[in-house]
Amino acid sequence: GENVEQHPSTLSVQEGDSAVIKCTYSDSASNYFPWYKQELGKRPQLIIDIRSNVGEKKDQRIAVTLNKTAKHFSLHITETQPEDSAVYFCAASNSNTGKLIFGQGTTLQVKP
Amino acid sequence: DGGITQSPKYLFRKEGQNVTLSCEQNLNHDAMYWYRQDPGQGLRLIYYSQIVNDFQKGDIAEGYSVSREKKESFPLTVTSAQKNPTAFYLCASSWTSVRTDTQYFGPGTRLTVL
Repeated sequence: GENVEQHPSTLSVQEGDSAVIKCTYSDSASNYFPWYKQELGKRPQLIIDIRSNVGEKKDQRIAVTLNKTAKHFSLHITETQPEDSAVYFCAASNSNTGKLIFGQGTTLQVKP
Repeated sequence: DGGITQSPKYLFRKEGQNVTLSCEQNLNHDAMYWYRQDPGQGLRLIYYSQIVNDFQKGDIAEGYSVSREKKESFPLTVTSAQKNPTAFYLCASSWTSVRTDTQYFGPGTRLTVL
């Protein structure tokens, strides 16, 4: 069935360093890839998304890259700040089903 | 996402009881979704609805039921058949599920079985 693998499960970086989270997906029909940030006890919030017709998208300190051939996509956070500490989820969806399949999540800790 | 509300925020259930979680949206979205989140795991889809009076099972529908009588409402009932219902439940909505539009989440309901 459809599956999304996310790595690493935990990531600790020093403030100012970069953080990279990687996801692979199994369904070659997937064409939409959002990233969500979830703070403890709160709802997931969309931080960036990418569709299969582009390879990279940036929004200030956040960027997402997509390699459709290899079926993987990554989240890049530069100049990390303590407020970036949260759980990050990747997801993949295709237009046939409309369903989002989520990765297991990455707990990012940014140390001041 | 501020247009999606869930109630209650916390819910306690005794074994053998059915409970209903509320989800309301005023965003005029066609599609609505229910997810379950367990510690250390991603979100798993329970049920989703693409349009009023229609809904489909997700990956873990057993022990749950839903209805979609109004566009703005998509309540989830956790029945006594659900063996391990303690979890954080999240409702989401999007303009339409066909174009894989962005899903926006409600604040969640934390259900605990006593």
